[in-house]
Amino acid sequence: DGGITQSPKYLFRKEGQNVTLSCEQNLNHDAMYWYRQDPGQGLRLIYYSQIVNDFQKGDIAEGYSVSREKKESFPLTVTSAQKNPTAFYLCASSIGGSRNEKLFFGSGTQLSVL
Amino acid sequence: SQKIEQNSEALNIQEGKTATLTCNYTNYSPAYLQWYRQDPGRGPVFLLLIRENEKEKRKERLKVTFDTTLKQSLFHITASQPADSATYLCALGTTGGFKTIFGAGTRLFVKA
Repeated sequence: DGGITQSPKYLFRKEGQNVTLSCEQNLNHDAMYWYRQDPGQGLRLIYYSQIVNDFQKGDIAEGYSVSREKKESFPLTVTSAQKNPTAFYLCASSIGGSRNEKLFFGSGTQLSVL
Repeated sequence: SQKIEQNSEALNIQEGKTATLTCNYTNYSPAYLQWYRQDPGRGPVFLLLIRENEKEKRKERLKVTFDTTLKQSLFHITASQPADSATYLCALGTTGGFKTIFGAGTRLFVKA
């Protein structure tokens, strides 16, 4: 089945620690995204990538970093600079180019602080 | 700044009735509007897209309207079923853009 796989489902971070969330897609999509979801708020864009080896900051990029070395993979690192990391993190993809309307989402990673 | 508002209170309806959810937006001129369904602990799933030059779109028991003058979309689920219980998200975007903006969602409960 084609889709987006996020791992792990649950992740715990200790103070001062960097953690990396995995996102893999086999949809052959060019564009990939990371969103953060907090209770009572809409999804907020952290980073997006239009193509391999290229990515741009979204609305809340501070304290996060990404890489896009392969088309299929778009990992997100939550650094120790992110002071309020507890949230539900969603990875998504779209076809790319001018066809970015329909987003395909993974099942999410819940990150909590110990 | 751009803002999307959806009913923050949960909507409770009886099975078989029509559920109507509202999405209002300000300071934005979207090329299209989307609705997604999200179940607890899961990622959103795309349901419908309607473009700025379309008034209404249907898919099975779902109907979406889009009024760019009122800056509002209505999402209807007819003959609702308990399996329709979920959170429904409204999202706006521009053609070729990468920054889709999302509302906080409305929680729908359908009672048998």
